[in-house]
Amino acid sequence: QVQLQESGPGLVKPSETLSLTCTVSGGSISRYYWSWIRQPPGKGLEWIGYIYYSGRTNYNPSLKSRVTISVDTSKNQFSLKLSSVGAADTAIYYCARNGDYPYWFGPWGQGTLVTVSS
Amino acid sequence: QSALTQPASVSGSPGQSITISCTGTSSDVGGYNYVSWYQQHPGKAPKLMIYDVSNRPSGVSNRFSGSKSGNTASLTISGLQADDEADYYCSSYTTSSTLVFGTGTKVTVL
Repeated sequence: QVQLQESGPGLVKPSETLSLTCTVSGGSISRYYWSWIRQPPGKGLEWIGYIYYSGRTNYNPSLKSRVTISVDTSKNQFSLKLSSVGAADTAIYYCARNGDYPYWFGPWGQGTLVTVSS
Repeated sequence: QSALTQPASVSGSPGQSITISCTGTSSDVGGYNYVSWYQQHPGKAPKLMIYDVSNRPSGVSNRFSGSKSGNTASLTISGLQADDEADYYCSSYTTSSTLVFGTGTKVTVL
């Protein structure tokens, strides 16, 4: 049964770059689409972007200029970089598997809270 | 892309049925049969409940069902139980090959 685990700093300074990694266990990353989703405290879900194991990506238009998602199949990991962060980027960040097509999300990681503050 | 529109809250008594709507446009909900639904309990990660409008993943109760008409998708929970109290989100694939979530609905079991 595939499991996902997010990791990375819980505190990032304004204007710096947020970096998170999602480690996939119980299955190979070399298949399927994989996504990042975030949820500001007390608010709704926002899709950030997805990556195919081959490296093909697509991003939320509202974040596209600041987002990079990459994959490392040798480590069974995929990563998120969000540049020039501000307070509005404070959120729980989830990684999730899509499927053979990027139409839905499941399973999800447990999520990691990233706070943007000086 | 704009978030899909869901009612902020829906409530029902144990044993009753409730329906949550998810309204989009012809560029997302109305254009594809790729609507999914997620259940999120407080402090937990979302869980996939319905995919491709009306399909249930293995292990999800058949009390949960999905449908779509035009630009609006719906999630129905029948035989409402206390554990169904949670936030529910819809999601849809879009013409830009992106994904968009709904605004979320808080379900309260009275």
